[in-house]
Amino acid sequence: EDQVTQSPEALRLQEGESSSLNCSYTVSGLRGLFWYRQDPGKGPEFLFTLYSAGEEKEKERLKATLTKKESFLHITAPKPEDSATYLCAVQARSSASKIIFGSGTRLSIRP
Amino acid sequence: NAGVTQTPKFRVLKTGQSMTLLCAQDMNHEYMYWYRQDPGMGLRLIHYSVGEGTTAKGEVPDGYNVSRLKKQNFLLGLESAAPSQTSVYFCASTELQGWSDTQYFGPGTRLTVL
Repeated sequence: EDQVTQSPEALRLQEGESSSLNCSYTVSGLRGLFWYRQDPGKGPEFLFTLYSAGEEKEKERLKATLTKKESFLHITAPKPEDSATYLCAVQARSSASKIIFGSGTRLSIRP
Repeated sequence: NAGVTQTPKFRVLKTGQSMTLLCAQDMNHEYMYWYRQDPGMGLRLIHYSVGEGTTAKGEVPDGYNVSRLKKQNFLLGLESAAPSQTSVYFCASTELQGWSDTQYFGPGTRLTVL
C-alpha cells in the first residue's frame, strides 16, 4: 500500500537556525514526489516536484532532496515568514491520477 | 487568471441536510480532485475526475457524490450530511503534460455538520 510519513509533526526553530524536515514514502514505482506549503486557513501552495533519486531543487531558503525511500526539505537560515505547515505527497506510476499526502510538519520560526 | 475557486467558503449544516460545493478552474486543466483535510490526518482524496463527464472514487468516497458536466467545474454533493463530514474541503486541478503534475489548490470550504 502506498504510504507517506512525515516527521517531525511539529518543529520550532529560532530565526536563522537551519534544519530539515523528513518525508518517508513507500510506493509501487514513484512517478513524482511533491512538497507543498500551507498557511493557516489557506489551500496548499506548490513548492517542488522531484522525480528521481539524487534530484535536488532549490527555492530561496528551501532545498528539497530525494532518495529511493525518503525526501528532505532543508531550510537554511529560516525567517518568521517561513512558518507554515509543509506537506509531502507522492504519485505512483501505477495510478497517476492519485496523489497521496502525508499529514504534514508544522514549522514555527521564532524571531 | 483566478486559478481554482471554491464556493461557499463556510457552511453550517444540520444532520441530514444536503448541499453542493462548487469548484471552478480557469486553467483548462483536465484533472480535478476533491480532498478533505482533518487535523492530524493530512489530505484524503474523496473523488476525482480525469476529464469532462468522468468521475472516479478516491480513498474516502462514502457519503459523497460528484459531477463534472463541464471541464471547468467539479461539484461535490452531500446528500445527507453527518457530523463525521465536518471538515475542510479542498478542490485541486492538474494539467498532466509529460511529467508536469503540479496540483493547484483552491482556498477551501470549511463545513460544520451539527
